[in-house]
Amino acid sequence: GAVVSQHPSRVICKSGTSVKIECRSLDFQATTMFWYRQFPKQSLMLMATSNEGSKATYEQGVEKDKFLINHASLTLSTLTVTSAHPEDSSFYICSALPGPFYGYTFGSGTRLTVV
Amino acid sequence: RKEVEQDPGPFNVPEGATVAFNCTYSNSASQSFFWYRQDCRKEPKLLMSVYSSGNEDGRFTAQLNRASQYISLLIRDSKLSDSATYLCVVNAKYNTDKLIFGTGTRLQVFP
Repeated sequence: GAVVSQHPSRVICKSGTSVKIECRSLDFQATTMFWYRQFPKQSLMLMATSNEGSKATYEQGVEKDKFLINHASLTLSTLTVTSAHPEDSSFYICSALPGPFYGYTFGSGTRLTVV
Repeated sequence: RKEVEQDPGPFNVPEGATVAFNCTYSNSASQSFFWYRQDCRKEPKLLMSVYSSGNEDGRFTAQLNRASQYISLLIRDSKLSDSATYLCVVNAKYNTDKLIFGTGTRLQVFP
């Protein structure tokens, strides 16, 4: 089946540093990937749509200079949280749609803790 | 009003019980509907898509009421392993791949 591999699964970093999260589609090509954030007891909130070979589309209220997205190939999208602060601590998940007969497939998520 | 609303629960039910969750959505142009299951601190996993005619998959039945803009999920013969959060998900607007998630309904099945 279609798999999205996300790394790292957990990261702890200091305030002010940057963290890169990778999502790879393992057995399909993903021209589009979606990045979500989930705070405790809240729903997944779409942050941005990553488009292969072009700029990402950010949702309202999401700072594009803080959350850098790169989708340089059909199988890899990265999210970099720049100058991380404790309020950026959250569960970040990527997703892709492998095809019309599949549901949206999610990566396993990255739990970011900024100290 | 939230775009997708769910009762957060928790629903605490004994094994073997039947439990139903409802979800309402605000955008009448939404076209695709799903139920996802999310275990604690894990990614969501697709449980089932929801079709206009309703659909069933084993113990799970999903219904869509477009006129009232709500979706339901029925779980029969609950198992302990059904304990999870159930997310109602709709696409943001017609002909787009963006999804809007409800906050989820927590189900706890006890022995």
